[in-house]
Amino acid sequence: ETGVTQSPTHLIKTRGQQVTLRCSSQSGHNTVSWYQQALGQGPQFIFQYYREEENGRGNFPPRFSGLQFPNYSSELNVNALELDDSALYLCASSTGLAFYNEQFFGPGTRLTVL
Amino acid sequence: DAKTTQPPSMDCAEGRAANLPCNHSTISGNEYVYWYRQIHSQGPQYIIHGLKNNETNEMASLIITEDRKSSTLILPHATLRDTAVYYCIVRVRSNFGNEKLTFGTGTRLTIIP
Repeated sequence: ETGVTQSPTHLIKTRGQQVTLRCSSQSGHNTVSWYQQALGQGPQFIFQYYREEENGRGNFPPRFSGLQFPNYSSELNVNALELDDSALYLCASSTGLAFYNEQFFGPGTRLTVL
Repeated sequence: DAKTTQPPSMDCAEGRAANLPCNHSTISGNEYVYWYRQIHSQGPQYIIHGLKNNETNEMASLIITEDRKSSTLILPHATLRDTAVYYCIVRVRSNFGNEKLTFGTGTRLTIIP
């Protein structure tokens, strides 16, 4: 059983550019959540996808968007990058079932916006 | 989700029990207490959760007060690898979906050799 993987591990972009981050969920998991973690802070919820549909969103602007694919992998897209978007982006997968819905996190993608 | 309060930092000697407190005085009856930890430069790792009874697993024990307004995570024999930021989170356990975790700033636990 493989865990949650994310790519790339590090990324440097300039202000105004667009970025796509990728996440492969743990085997058997159909729910993916994305979080943003600024330096020294706890992770902040961006949104969640359940069976390819958005199922909850945090306080992030529309330029943060996502997709979930039939194999339950996921992408996070950020348009018009701003300096404050520099952070560690984490994805977490879970089964979406009542009893076994603990979230398992990937190692994250470190995004630096210059 | 109810707000939690944790001390910003704690030290513990290697081999001793680490007791991490969490205050959640506004917790609702259907909200669970979850603990996650984050070792430097890694994603958060699930540790344990509970509703009202004390819980134990291979990693830790969770003690929840009778009024459920506070809890303590216990690492029985702390090792250097337990150095991490520990997050206490309370949330409703949904049937599926809407599984947002609301993280605070957590407690930075340092295990001292």
